[in-house]
Parts: sequence; C-alpha cells; structure tokens
Amino acid sequence: GAVVSQHPSWVICKSGTSVKIECRSLDFQATTMFWYRQFPKQSLMLMATSNEGSKATYEQGVEKDKFLINHASLTLSTLTVTSAHPEDSSFYICSALGGGATYEQYFGPGTRLTVT
Amino acid sequence: DQQVKQNSPSLSVQEGRISILNCDYTNSMFDYFLWYKKYPAEGPTFLISISSIKDKNEDGRFTVFLNKSAKHLSLHIVPSQPGDSAVYFCAARGQAGTALIFGKGTTLSVSS
Repeated sequence: GAVVSQHPSWVICKSGTSVKIECRSLDFQATTMFWYRQFPKQSLMLMATSNEGSKATYEQGVEKDKFLINHASLTLSTLTVTSAHPEDSSFYICSALGGGATYEQYFGPGTRLTVT
Repeated sequence: DQQVKQNSPSLSVQEGRISILNCDYTNSMFDYFLWYKKYPAEGPTFLISISSIKDKNEDGRFTVFLNKSAKHLSLHIVPSQPGDSAVYFCAARGQAGTALIFGKGTTLSVSS
C-alpha cells in the first residue's frame, strides 16, 4: 500500500514551453502533497506544499508564477513549469502525506525534466 | 542555512563490514528523523526512522542512533552488502504533517 506515482517519468521540452507533471496517490487520499527538486549531487529541496482545495505554499525563492501547483483532488497534485528555461532542468519529486499518527510521507519515483 | 548536514559526501566499505553514516542537525525542535536510500533518477526509499524521544531504533541490518544533546544521528548497516550501494539521505521533520528537510546525502559504496 501507500504508492505514489508520477507522470511522466522523463520529459524533454524546448525553452519557452510549459510542461505539466502529475503526482498521484494510488491507494490512499492525501490532503497534503509536497514538491521537491533535486539538482545533480545535491539535496532534495522543498519547493512547495500543496493542499487539496487551497493555494499552494511556496518556499522562499521559488517563483509561484513559474511553478504552478494545482491540488484539485485528494489523489492528484500537478506541477506545471511555465516558460521553461534550461536552468529548470532538474529532477522533480513529489511526496504525499499519509494519515495516521506518524504522518508518514510517501515519495513518488520522480520526473526528470530536460529543457533544451 | 543548512539545518540537516551530512558532512561526508562518500563512504567506501567492504562487504560484511559495518557502514556508519552520520548526520548532524541544528534545529532542536525536530521531532522525527528518517533515513532514505536513493538511486539516481528514482524517488527516495524509506529505510528507518526514529522519534526524538528515543535514542535507538533497530530494523534488521539497520540501526539508527540519536544523540539529542549532540544533535547527531547515525545509521549503522551491519553487515554491509553490495546491494546497499546507493546515496543515503538523512531527513528531519519539524512537526507532524510538515515537509521533510533533507541533508545533502552520502554515497555509500560497498565492495565485494
């Protein structure tokens, strides 16, 4: 149980275009999901907290108009990278917050974005 | 300002020996600490965790030790196996329901 999927797993796009990444909790409902970004040989950096039915909370330094987050249902959050630039190329990982006393986070497999 | 630090970027160990991965933190309000294993281009895989009210948690070959006074935790893997070779991330949580804060990771290489 507690499986989180991401789609696509790998995407290449041209500069200036937008790309959408989906994060789904497959066998549980998640009112809260998190989006992280990892550059090569770096840590996972939190970008934003996504709450179902409300606006996302962005970390300092993350442009909310560039990284659009929509958490429209209890099992789906989407991250749209708008007007992508090569420096947006990174590995994007989502996690979904489970219920219960420990509030465990379940991570998706990640999405590799390459902007050419 | 890095709240979770893994100061050793890499560690090499022989098969069968003990691997010790270290992690330091600065925020005394963290209530939960976790270790994840990660391969390139994959999401992190949960290994083991420890609550701030405990000083040790064991699960099979993996043991995590927490020293709150030193703000230090360590992951022990005994015996180490070649399949353990991966990047290990230490993570901490400020309170239930909040995002995890990750260290930069330590690359473990276990040679046979």
